[in-house]
Amino acid sequence: GAVVSQHPSRVICKSGTSVKIECRSLDFQATTMFWYRQFPKQSLMLMATSNEGSKATYEQGVEKDKFLINHASLTLSTLTVTSAHPEDSSFYICSARDWGTGYGYTFGSGTRLTVV
Amino acid sequence: QQQVKQSPQSLIVQKGGIPIINCAYENTAFDYFPWYQQFPGKGPALLIAIRPDVSEKKEGRFTISFNKSAKQFSLHIMDSQPGDSATYFCAASSQAGTALIFGKGTTLSVSS
Repeated sequence: GAVVSQHPSRVICKSGTSVKIECRSLDFQATTMFWYRQFPKQSLMLMATSNEGSKATYEQGVEKDKFLINHASLTLSTLTVTSAHPEDSSFYICSARDWGTGYGYTFGSGTRLTVV
Repeated sequence: QQQVKQSPQSLIVQKGGIPIINCAYENTAFDYFPWYQQFPGKGPALLIAIRPDVSEKKEGRFTISFNKSAKQFSLHIMDSQPGDSATYFCAASSQAGTALIFGKGTTLSVSS
């Protein structure tokens, strides 16, 4: 079945630094990928929709200059958290839709970001 | 505006019981309704999904009931086991390729 690989699974960074998270579709091409953020004991909140070869579409309230999304190929999307602060600490999850299986959305295993 | 409302927030059942989790949606353009299971520190995993042209779908111990007129759908877990203890999310999306919109989640605890 469709597999989405997300790396790293955990990252700790200092306040003010930037962190890049990668999301790869391993066995299918993903023209669209989605990035979610999940705080403890809360639901997944959509941050942005990443489209291959074009600019990402951000949800209301998400700072596009802080959360940089690049979708340069059909199998790779990256999320860069710039100038990270402790309030950016969260669980970040990517997802891709495998049109080959109809409606199926596949999720990565998530990245736990801790900013100290 | 919360597009997918999920209840209850938490649920405790005994082993062998049948927990039921309910969701209601508002957007009539939604035509794909999946349920996901998530364990702590992991990404959500698809359990079962339904489209609005059927009223019920069963896969193993998991059943979705769908009521299009009421804009509601529910997840039933038959013969629940302690290993089913997790957080369950309903979600919805449209054929237009939009992202999944999630409910707030239900934390299920199955006691042995």
